[in-house]
Amino acid sequence: DADVTQTPRNRITKTGKRIMLECSQTKGHDRMYWYRQDPGLGLRLIYYSFDVKDINKGEISDGYSVSRQAQAKFSLSLESAIPNQTALYFCATSDPSRAWAYNEQFFGPGTRLTVL
Amino acid sequence: AQKVTQAQTEISVVEKEDVTLDCVYETRDTTYYLFWYKQPPSGELVFLIRRNSFDEQNEISGRYSWNFQKSTSSFNFTITASQVVDSAVYFCALSEAWGGATNKLIFGTGTLLAVQP
Repeated sequence: DADVTQTPRNRITKTGKRIMLECSQTKGHDRMYWYRQDPGLGLRLIYYSFDVKDINKGEISDGYSVSRQAQAKFSLSLESAIPNQTALYFCATSDPSRAWAYNEQFFGPGTRLTVL
Repeated sequence: AQKVTQAQTEISVVEKEDVTLDCVYETRDTTYYLFWYKQPPSGELVFLIRRNSFDEQNEISGRYSWNFQKSTSSFNFTITASQVVDSAVYFCALSEAWGGATNKLIFGTGTLLAVQP
């Protein structure tokens, strides 16, 4: 089974709709991240969370909100979706106890979101 | 500010050719990490390599090799004898070091590699 899962994997929605993307992990990592990928722009950080009570904005947080329901779950919400939020969204986790040696992030499979 | 530049947007080669993907980074940190990820057409991100700033040794893994040069702030990736299965988007990324850091990754814009049979 995958360590980092994302649901849904694909979603088509309409402008103005509220949508939630979910991320779950079984790695036991405290840190979780949401990235957005657009063609030609690479991946950009939307939000990150160090633990359940610590949530921080990334470089492109406008139009998004997040919820860290538990150590293992980190959800991304689009309150009122707009077409330029059409993108591939990735969730990632990292383990700060191993950061000095590894500093690695583990990515989910991605959610492809289309806003019409 | 941290920045990763992958100047090659697209590269097309014929199978069995060698190809080098360039990555240039900017950071004021003295300790940092560099990564390469592969994104095949299926969309997932596949981790290829991690290198910390104290380790300038080049690395070879099968047909893949990496050349890390701090003097030029570059971390280039070479595929020897390319194969069609190497066709993908390749991302270079930079992460600040541990020590209250966010561990967030700064990605380059990616290089699309197309290997023709």
